[in-house]
Amino acid sequence: KQEVTQIPAALSVPEGENLVLNCSFTDSAIYNLQWFRQDPGKGLTSLLLIQSSQREQTSGRLNASLDKSSGRSTLYIAASQPGDSATYLCAVSRTGTASKLTFGTGTRLQVTL
Amino acid sequence: NAGVMQNPRHLVRRRGQEARLRCSPMKGHSHVYWYRQLPEEGLKFMVYLQKENIIDESGMPKERFSAEFPKEGPSILRIQQVVRGDSAAYFCASSLLGRQETQYFGPGTRLLVL
Repeated sequence: KQEVTQIPAALSVPEGENLVLNCSFTDSAIYNLQWFRQDPGKGLTSLLLIQSSQREQTSGRLNASLDKSSGRSTLYIAASQPGDSATYLCAVSRTGTASKLTFGTGTRLQVTL
Repeated sequence: NAGVMQNPRHLVRRRGQEARLRCSPMKGHSHVYWYRQLPEEGLKFMVYLQKENIIDESGMPKERFSAEFPKEGPSILRIQQVVRGDSAAYFCASSLLGRQETQYFGPGTRLLVL
């Protein structure tokens, strides 16, 4: 059974800092990994998707890496802004077709002025 | 292209009533997923449907819960005889098979059972 864990559970940083969020998964037979952000009371916004054959993906100030062999992914946020405050979730899918996602527990990020 | 739509956004029911949650996938998407987020917990998969077919319902409680995705119209998640433990946020996602399989999520329906 796939288990996804995110560390830390909560993080508070001053504006402008670079930060790293961690995600680990127990079953390396994944098809892809997605990072989402969730704002309070809102739905999920997809940030980055990494296929299992890829090592990283970048979008603006965000960079996500994937190491399947060690069961880890990191989300790097450069020059953090107060607008980045949200809960960040990673999720993995296992099979080769569109399939269910197994979500991590989330990291609640607060970027302060 | 409108995103995934869910309605209602908020739903209040008394114990024993029925709850019907609707999800309209993104245009052209024929795959729908339902997830549940209990208070202070992560999102858990419930069911995966294609048009007129349930593909994977391994996360669905055995009793009182059912889902459908008819040929025409939205996907429906139905909860019969609701109990307080059903209070949660229910999210729907859709995807387009053949692409990168990114799942696009709706804003969720927050169900409160009194």
